[in-house]
Amino acid sequence: EAGVAQSPRYKIIEKRQSVAFWCNPISGHATLYWYQQILGQGPKLLIQFQNNGVVDDSQLPKDRFSAERLKGVDSTLKIQPAKLEDSAVYLCASSFLRAGGVTDTQYFGPGTRLTVL
Amino acid sequence: AQKVTQAQTEISVVEKEDVTLDCVYETRDTTYYLFWYKQPPSGELVFLIRRNSFDEQNEISGRYSWNFQKSTSSFNFTITASQVVDSAVYFCALSAGTGNQFYFGTGTSLTVIP
Repeated sequence: EAGVAQSPRYKIIEKRQSVAFWCNPISGHATLYWYQQILGQGPKLLIQFQNNGVVDDSQLPKDRFSAERLKGVDSTLKIQPAKLEDSAVYLCASSFLRAGGVTDTQYFGPGTRLTVL
Repeated sequence: AQKVTQAQTEISVVEKEDVTLDCVYETRDTTYYLFWYKQPPSGELVFLIRRNSFDEQNEISGRYSWNFQKSTSSFNFTITASQVVDSAVYFCALSAGTGNQFYFGTGTSLTVIP
């Protein structure tokens, strides 16, 4: 079974530029997550989708970050304009949606390492 | 509020030694789930184990074992006879409440010296 796919793996941009990351979850996983992981810290949830709807985006800096999952499968995370503090690894994860609100395991992609100069 | 504390920032052991990684969690929910992930230098988070709050049985998988104690809100992870390939950052995570959201600790960086 294929895992979570992400691209690109690495990206270097200058501040004030825009950048987009792509994620394709594991087939059949209705829930998709985007995390930001700053060096030396644990992953921080940015946004959670269930199918093509947003479940939680309370920690997404909406003035510069946006995300979409139009057809309920793959997703794009965009930063516009980027700041120096956005340098981090952006991780995508997906999980199966179980009945009754039972938590299922999240499976992670390889991440995109973003450097903002 | 949900919180995970991994007090050990960095640990170094010599190959073949046993090592225990600590994880303490906080939640007021009676139903919750605990996880351990491994993050090797390549960066991908690799799932190791999932445990629900109603199952306090310890688990062993090869050289890995997990000790879940609700009385102390701990979910510790032991690697027996460590190997160089075990070198990675290990994260403990908690999921509680609605929405399947994960709360990660800050991670423990393990270095196994040959």
